[in-house]
Amino acid sequence: GESVGLHLPTLSVQEGDNSIINCAYSNSASDYFIWYKQESGKGPQFIIDIRSNMDKRQGQRVTVLLNKTVKHLSLQIAATQPGDSAVYFCAVFYNQGGKLIFGQGTELSVKP
Amino acid sequence: DTAVSQTPKYLVTQMGNDKSIKCEQNLGHDTMYWYKQDSKKFLKIMFSYNNKELIINETVPNRFSPKSPDKAHLNLHINSLELGDSAVYFCASSQRDSGAFFGQGTRLTVV
Repeated sequence: GESVGLHLPTLSVQEGDNSIINCAYSNSASDYFIWYKQESGKGPQFIIDIRSNMDKRQGQRVTVLLNKTVKHLSLQIAATQPGDSAVYFCAVFYNQGGKLIFGQGTELSVKP
Repeated sequence: DTAVSQTPKYLVTQMGNDKSIKCEQNLGHDTMYWYKQDSKKFLKIMFSYNNKELIINETVPNRFSPKSPDKAHLNLHINSLELGDSAVYFCASSQRDSGAFFGQGTRLTVV
């Protein structure tokens, strides 16, 4: 089946701390994973992606980790800033049917 | 230039009416999508088109009819609007099996 779950609906962190947002998926055949950021009143914005032939990928202040054994991925944000406050979604591309399925989202709040 | 643009941004209408939302992408992508986002922020895929051909219809009521006149456009027509159709509708585009780019959304309110 196809489902993408998120471990926490909300996450509150202090400015400057690191944030970790987790996601679980169900289909072991998935080979492409994406993290999106959605600010209030806007559409989801692509942050970083990873394919199944990798277990880690880094961007600017963000790192995505993929553990295919337990079907889990995470987004790490270093030195979290107030501008990082948003809802974060993991999305999984299912080759069968060619569709992008979103998790439920985690709302990240950054306290100054 | 906006990569994925959808109009209108806001739409308030009465139950029973028919309305359309338009979407255009200038990224040259082959695949376009419609997603519905409910009040709990859950993003659910509705339709996917690849080169004007429907490839995904996720058990959406047949009151919703997408139309793709060319691969840069995917419009959504909704007949006989119901209260439960109130949501934010997002259009997106991608090259197949790569990250999708989203429009700003259309907030539909049915009264």
